[in-house]
Amino acid sequence: AQSVAQPEDQVNVAEGNPLTVKCTYSVSGNPYLFWYVQYPNRGLQFLLKYITGDNLVKGSYGFEAEFNKSQTSFHLKKPSALVSDSALYFCAVRPGRDTGRRALTFGSGTRLQVQP
Amino acid sequence: ETGVTQTPRHLVMGMTNKKSLKCEQHLGHNAMYWYKQSAKKPLELMFVYNFKEQTENNSVPSRFSPECPNSSHLFLHLHTLQPEDSALYLCASSGLAVQETQYFGPGTRLLVL
Repeated sequence: AQSVAQPEDQVNVAEGNPLTVKCTYSVSGNPYLFWYVQYPNRGLQFLLKYITGDNLVKGSYGFEAEFNKSQTSFHLKKPSALVSDSALYFCAVRPGRDTGRRALTFGSGTRLQVQP
Repeated sequence: ETGVTQTPRHLVMGMTNKKSLKCEQHLGHNAMYWYKQSAKKPLELMFVYNFKEQTENNSVPSRFSPECPNSSHLFLHLHTLQPEDSALYLCASSGLAVQETQYFGPGTRLLVL
């Protein structure tokens, strides 16, 4: 069975500083990895995904994530945080091979707070 | 943002009521999903439909009854719910390939009294 761990419930960063939101995963075979963001009273918005190829994936709003197979990690990063980035961030995983299951397995979420 | 819509956005119901949540996707997808998001818990998959056929039921109690009349619409019928069913119910859709991204609606915030 697959699982996702987001070890930090909350990350605090000053505006303009780089940010990292951590994610580690466990899945058999090669993973498909996703990051979503959720603003208050809203659904999840897709940020980026890793399927194959370059380990550094670039996504929406200046976010990027680095796939590290040896460390089974997929940390989300941004070079310069904005106050408007404050939100709840979810990492999700699905096995790369087709198991017939469509569902994503989500982490518990990390709240990012960017201080002005 | 408007690719997947959900109605109503907020719902308050008593334990003996019957209500339905509606989801509509305008993305041409063939797979649709219901997820439950409770406070302090990861998102939980409830149901998956491919081409209107239910392919996954994640041990959801029978008081939740999904319906998928076509690939664009998904309903969740609610009957005799419990207060612990209060949560944000999220609908999502995607293409069928395993690498496809799931796109989410804004959710229905449900309160069961």
